[in-house]
Amino acid sequence: EDKVVQSPLSLVVHEGDTVTLNCSYEVTNFRSLLWYKQEKKAPTFLFMLTSSGIEKKSGRLSSILDKKELFSILNITATQTGDSAIYLCAAPYINNAGNMLTFGGGTRLMVKP
Amino acid sequence: DVKVTQSSRYLVKRTGEKVFLECVQDMDHENMFWYRQDPGLGLRLIYFSYDVKMKEKGDIPEGYSVSREKKERFSLILESASTNQTSMYLCASSRPPGQGADEQYFGPGTRLTVT
Repeated sequence: EDKVVQSPLSLVVHEGDTVTLNCSYEVTNFRSLLWYKQEKKAPTFLFMLTSSGIEKKSGRLSSILDKKELFSILNITATQTGDSAIYLCAAPYINNAGNMLTFGGGTRLMVKP
Repeated sequence: DVKVTQSSRYLVKRTGEKVFLECVQDMDHENMFWYRQDPGLGLRLIYFSYDVKMKEKGDIPEGYSVSREKKERFSLILESASTNQTSMYLCASSRPPGQGADEQYFGPGTRLTVT
């Protein structure tokens, strides 16, 4: 059974700190790993990673995948209170009906001023 | 820009009531999904649909049913709401395999409280 595990479960930091969120996976027929940010409502897409060792970057957020060790990290530098959210990682899989996502439990990040 | 909307942001219902959660997407996506989200458990798939009138059970379908009469609309039904169905419910849609990224687009969520 496909599994995605995130750590830590929650994290409290102060503005300006750098954080690293972890996502490990066990997925048959791995294709990609997705990161989402969820504030008070809908998860919004951050990154899709398909290749090992290639960093994806968007502003202060970056993410990288290690397909040998089966994990990904999401880094946020110079955190701001607006980064407070639940961060979800997910791995797609396909069954007979279509394409699905297996989600990790999420990491709740709180950034204090 | 994909838009997924859900009929209610917050809903309070009594035990035993029948509850309808509606989801509409405007991007002509074939696939639609209903998840529930609980602290520490992430998103768990309840049901999904890959075409009109087609539905498949997800990981936790017990106590729920769905309806997809039109491509853009996917409804989640709680036949007899129970307190353990108090949760955040998220709807999502996506293109079928082979038509682009694996990304799913989410609605804003409905926070349902059953008292």
